Amino acid sequence: AQSVTQLGSHVSVSEGALVLLRCNYSSSVPPYLFWYVQYPNQGLQLLLKYTTGATLVKGINGFEAEFKKSETSFHLTKPSAHMSDAAEYFCAVSGGFGNEKLTFGTGTRLTIIP
Amino acid sequence: NAGVTQTPKFRILKIGQSMTLQCTQDMNHNYMYWYRQDPGMGLKLIYYSVGAGITDKGEVPNGYNVSRSTTEDFPLRLELAAPSQTSVYFCASSYGSEQYFGPGTRLTVT
Repeated sequence: AQSVTQLGSHVSVSEGALVLLRCNYSSSVPPYLFWYVQYPNQGLQLLLKYTTGATLVKGINGFEAEFKKSETSFHLTKPSAHMSDAAEYFCAVSGGFGNEKLTFGTGTRLTIIP
Repeated sequence: NAGVTQTPKFRILKIGQSMTLQCTQDMNHNYMYWYRQDPGMGLKLIYYSVGAGITDKGEVPNGYNVSRSTTEDFPLRLELAAPSQTSVYFCASSYGSEQYFGPGTRLTVT
């Protein structure tokens, strides 16, 4: 079984500041980890994913995340926030190949302060 | 290539009515999923399918039914709608690890 905890349901950062969205997971098997973004009244779009290999993964729109097995974390970062980054972000985990069902966190709403 | 499409976009139902939410994908994906999204709760898996003719329950299946007669279509049926089914419903499909989501159906039951 898998679970995901996202710390902070709301995060506000100033434009140009570092974005850090936290995600911790629990999994009984080697996990696949994902970050999705949801803009208002839209579906979810994949930002990035970790399956195997390099633990630092880069995604779209300048976002990246690092898989840290020892900390069971997969935090999402972006060096410099842009107004267009305002959205809701979801961390998700699956059990890997052959077990693609996703378990989502409760989401973090990111607000960018001009 | 339209990806995952869902109809309708919005619907208001009265308690006890039934309806079918439609989902179609044109990517020839074997796996398809139905989720519901409630405020502050993330997405919860209702049902999923690993191929035509095969479906299985997710985390919150009560009050819903699905069928998968073709690779492309995965309709979600609500029988006897209840206020607790007011939510936004997302369909998704996948081949491999990445899921592709439709735009959602916003359902209100009053």
